[in-house]
Amino acid sequence: GENVEQHPSTLSVQEGDSAVIKCTYSDSASNYFPWYKQELGKGPQLIIDIRSNVGEKKDQRIAVTLNKTAKHFSLHITETQPEDSAVYFCAGGAEGGSEKLVFGKGTKLTVNP
Amino acid sequence: EAGVTQSPTHLIKTRGQQATLRCSPISGHTSVYWYQQALGLGLQFLLWYDEGEERNRGNFPPRFSGRQFPNYSSELNVNALELEDSALYLCASSPPGWGNIQYFGAGTRLSVL
Repeated sequence: GENVEQHPSTLSVQEGDSAVIKCTYSDSASNYFPWYKQELGKGPQLIIDIRSNVGEKKDQRIAVTLNKTAKHFSLHITETQPEDSAVYFCAGGAEGGSEKLVFGKGTKLTVNP
Repeated sequence: EAGVTQSPTHLIKTRGQQATLRCSPISGHTSVYWYQQALGLGLQFLLWYDEGEERNRGNFPPRFSGRQFPNYSSELNVNALELEDSALYLCASSPPGWGNIQYFGAGTRLSVL
């Protein structure tokens, strides 16, 4: 089955800097890769996703890149702000398959003012 | 539009008891997913319901079960509770035909004493 690994487990940056979180996956059948942000006491919130027919997707300060050959995808946050502080999860799944998402273990991002 | 709602917010039980957790999906969504988020771990897939049927289950013992009602709401039942069942239980829903795009509720914090 699918296995998703996420690095780093913790990341601390200064406000205004960029943050990059990387994930690798094992199942070549996976074709859908969402990223979720989880703030303390809340459920995960979908912030961006990418499908395997696209190499990059951007939404304002957030971008995701996908390298199908290497089986890895990354989340890039530019001009970080203190409100970006949260735990970020990557996930992988095969749309039209079992429909389940396999999640990475999360990255705790701290943006220092 | 209301998001995914879960109840109760917190649940305290003792070993051997049964717990029932409830989830109401976003209006128009027909699929419901259950995940367990134990402290320090990522999200572990438990169950997927679609159109009232169990479509897939994760690697959990049979004492974890659930159902989906005709109005697409769902409940998760955990029998013979064990201490290690203490976790945040998250419910997600997705609309028909949208594959893996899942929207999460805030979760139910289950504590087993």
